[in-house]
Amino acid sequence: SQQGEEDPQALSIQEGENATMNCSYKTSINNLQWYRQNSGRGLVHLILIRSNEREKHSGRLRVTLDTSKKSSSLLITASRAADTASYFCATAGTEDSSYKLIFGSGTRLLVRP
Amino acid sequence: EPEVTQTPSHQVTQMGQEVILRCVPISNHLYFYWYRQILGQKVEFLVSFYNNEISEKSEIFDDQFSVERPDGSNFTLKIRSTKLEDSAMYFCAGRTLEDFEQYFGPGTRLTVT
Repeated sequence: SQQGEEDPQALSIQEGENATMNCSYKTSINNLQWYRQNSGRGLVHLILIRSNEREKHSGRLRVTLDTSKKSSSLLITASRAADTASYFCATAGTEDSSYKLIFGSGTRLLVRP
Repeated sequence: EPEVTQTPSHQVTQMGQEVILRCVPISNHLYFYWYRQILGQKVEFLVSFYNNEISEKSEIFDDQFSVERPDGSNFTLKIRSTKLEDSAMYFCAGRTLEDFEQYFGPGTRLTVT
């Protein structure tokens, strides 16, 4: 299985602090994507990083990818209460013609005002 | 900004009944997916669909499931005879051929009683 697994499972921080979430996976990937999910709601696409990229930025988000360690991290800087959500990494494998996504278990982030 | 839409948002059905979940993908998307998320669990891949045929399906996607793009805009998931364990949030997603970002709809919560 190429499942991504996030850690920590839960993270509680104060507004203004940075939040770092990590993701590990098992097989060769074409790309890795991060999503946010508010409780009981849909999945919002945050950022995609390709296997030949090492770092990517989007606003307050910074994603790194280390293919030698099969791991990725998502950093949210200057967190806000509105960032409270679950964050998932999802990988698309090189073996799949459809580039289906395999999701991890997610990190529940709580940003305290 | 274009969005994926799904209807209904919540469907309650009795065991053994047929349900059809509907999705309207973003207009320039050509590759489509269905995923599901059982409460408290990971998002799981069900099926991918391209050029009017299934390109890949998971073990979950058995003979009780089918997908269709009946009119070039809607994308449907049918469950012929629902079971209690089919209760989950079902997400439709799509992407272009050139980009790998998958954009998800808000989901349909299916409750089988």
